[in-house]
Amino acid sequence: NAGVIQTPRHKVTGKGQEATLWCEPISGHSAVFWYRQTIVQGLEFLTYFRNQAPIDDSGMPKERFSAQMPNQSHSTLKIQSTQPQDSAVYLCASSLDGANTGQLYFGEGSKLTVL
Amino acid sequence: GQQVQQSPASLVLQEGENAELQCNFSTSLNSMQWFYQRPGGSLVSLFYNPSGTKHSGRLTSTTVIKERRSSLHISSSQTTDSGTYLCALEDTNAYKVIFGKGTHLHVLP
Repeated sequence: NAGVIQTPRHKVTGKGQEATLWCEPISGHSAVFWYRQTIVQGLEFLTYFRNQAPIDDSGMPKERFSAQMPNQSHSTLKIQSTQPQDSAVYLCASSLDGANTGQLYFGEGSKLTVL
Repeated sequence: GQQVQQSPASLVLQEGENAELQCNFSTSLNSMQWFYQRPGGSLVSLFYNPSGTKHSGRLTSTTVIKERRSSLHISSSQTTDSGTYLCALEDTNAYKVIFGKGTHLHVLP
């Protein structure tokens, strides 16, 4: 089992450009989470899918951030018109998601730097 | 206010000493998890512990739901234990997992 796979590991963009981050959950896991981690804010919840359906996107900045899960094997987080304050490590996690969310398994993260 | 609070924020130990990390929460929960993170590294799950006590090597996790707290005990600390320890709770109402700010542990040789 390869674990949760995130690509790219590092991405550098110029201010105003678009960034797309990819996540492949563990096979058989039905829940996928996106988090953002910075030194100042710590780990912030962004959004959550269950069986590919968006369940909770309360943590997503509404205007420039969007997330999709077109099939059970990958999810994407897209940031349009990136700003320096978007610089962070974006972490994806998956879980089996039975009656409760269950144990989370994290990927290595995608470090986004906006110049 | 913050739903998950961890203490202490940072801790320095001499190798061999024990550590007790606390996590207090203000919302009802389905589960509590503890994670370990090295600087620049990913999160590694230590315990998935909805309630009661669990052991793994030198680590012990205890969750007391009615007291809204969970603790992580590290015995006979080693320099390789240095890093950040994060607790996370699954909110009963929202089914999303919320993290504390973490405890930064540094174990000196």
